[in-house]
Amino acid sequence: QVHLQESGPGLVKASETLSLTCSVSGRSISGYYWSWIRQSPGKGLEWIGCIYNSESITYNPSLKSRVIFSLDTSKNQFSLRLSSVTAADTAVYYCARHPTYGDYGGYFDYWGQGTLVTVSS
Amino acid sequence: SYDLTQPLAVSVALGQTARVTCGGNNIGNKNVHWYQQEPGQAPVLVMYRDGNRPSGIPERFSGSNSGNTATLTISRAQAGDEADYFCQVWDSSTVLFGGGTKLTVL
Repeated sequence: QVHLQESGPGLVKASETLSLTCSVSGRSISGYYWSWIRQSPGKGLEWIGCIYNSESITYNPSLKSRVIFSLDTSKNQFSLRLSSVTAADTAVYYCARHPTYGDYGGYFDYWGQGTLVTVSS
Repeated sequence: SYDLTQPLAVSVALGQTARVTCGGNNIGNKNVHWYQQEPGQAPVLVMYRDGNRPSGIPERFSGSNSGNTATLTISRAQAGDEADYFCQVWDSSTVLFGGGTKLTVL
């Protein structure tokens, strides 16, 4: 069974950088796609982007200028950095796995429990 | 940009059939995936590629997709089916989610 666990600060000051890590157990992260998804309080889901390896990364165009993904196969984890945060970035952040990139296999079959990140002014 | 439209709320009587729709331009040409989210929990995949159930999802859940509407159907609705349901597609190399539908079982 694959298990994902997000970790990182729950409180970030406005204009600073939000950093989160997703630790994966039960399966190697190699060979799969890994996404970050967020959900603002009481709102819907927003895809932030996905990573397969250091050469294969896709960001949501709406966040592309502020986001950086990385992946560490030795630790079986991947990370998110979101810069210049504002109150609008307050959300529960999820990491999730999908078998492939794109329409056919781009469904999220494993999710982390999510971590709430609050941006303070 | 591509838009996905879901009703904000759907209600169903206990034991009856609920249908949650997801509208989009020619969505029938896309693979639609569905998630169930209970309060305070992470989403759970309940349907992938229109009508495929992951292991562990009851047969009461089924899906279809044609024309401009994809539908998640929940037969013999139970109290435990009360949750938010989100549809998801890919468009122009980007993942899109519907706004979500709150299912109430009366």
